[in-house]
Amino acid sequence: AAGVIQSPRHLIKEKRETATLKCYPIPRHDTVYWYQQGPGQDPQFLISFYEKMQSDKGSIPDRFSAQQFSDYHSELNMSSLELGDSALYFCASSLLNQPQHFGDGTRLSIL
Amino acid sequence: EDQVTQSPEALRLQEGESSSLNCSYTVSGLRGLFWYRQDPGKGPEFLFTLYSAGEEKEKERLKATLTKKESFLHITAPKPEDSATYLCAVQAITAGNKLTFGGGTRVLVKP
Repeated sequence: AAGVIQSPRHLIKEKRETATLKCYPIPRHDTVYWYQQGPGQDPQFLISFYEKMQSDKGSIPDRFSAQQFSDYHSELNMSSLELGDSALYFCASSLLNQPQHFGDGTRLSIL
Repeated sequence: EDQVTQSPEALRLQEGESSSLNCSYTVSGLRGLFWYRQDPGKGPEFLFTLYSAGEEKEKERLKATLTKKESFLHITAPKPEDSATYLCAVQAITAGNKLTFGGGTRVLVKP
């Protein structure tokens, strides 16, 4: 079965640079979620979209923004990167009110 | 604020040695409680959803149960391939569809 696809799998950036993470949800899923998982920590909710509209917002820094496009893929844009942004970034997708299915994440390393 | 606490943090088992993982939660109206399995460098893999106290779900050697305050994940006669981090997450009625995760239990099953 098709799963959530995230790209790139690994990304290395320097401080103050920008990064764009992409997420392709499971076909026909209408909701996309972004989570951040720091080293040894549990995933923290950042933001979600339902039918291309922002539906929920968590602890997402103002330096980050996200959107969902007409083909339902989503992008997380991160600017003025800081050392503390180094983490695994997961995207999940679901049908509304159904279990979320996660991709394998993008590992972002800030040097 | 919604809170999820998992115990123990880590669990070492011999193959065939059954055990239980605990997930205690405080939430303002539970929409659902979710169990995920996470392998190193991978995204959380969905296992179960439980919606109401008394509900039980079973899959191979895993069985999840739910009360009004906690959930248990029972691992019966585990095998080495059951080694993973098991994450519990809640979805609150008043918090949209975001998941609030516990810290996870790292399970190591030795042959």
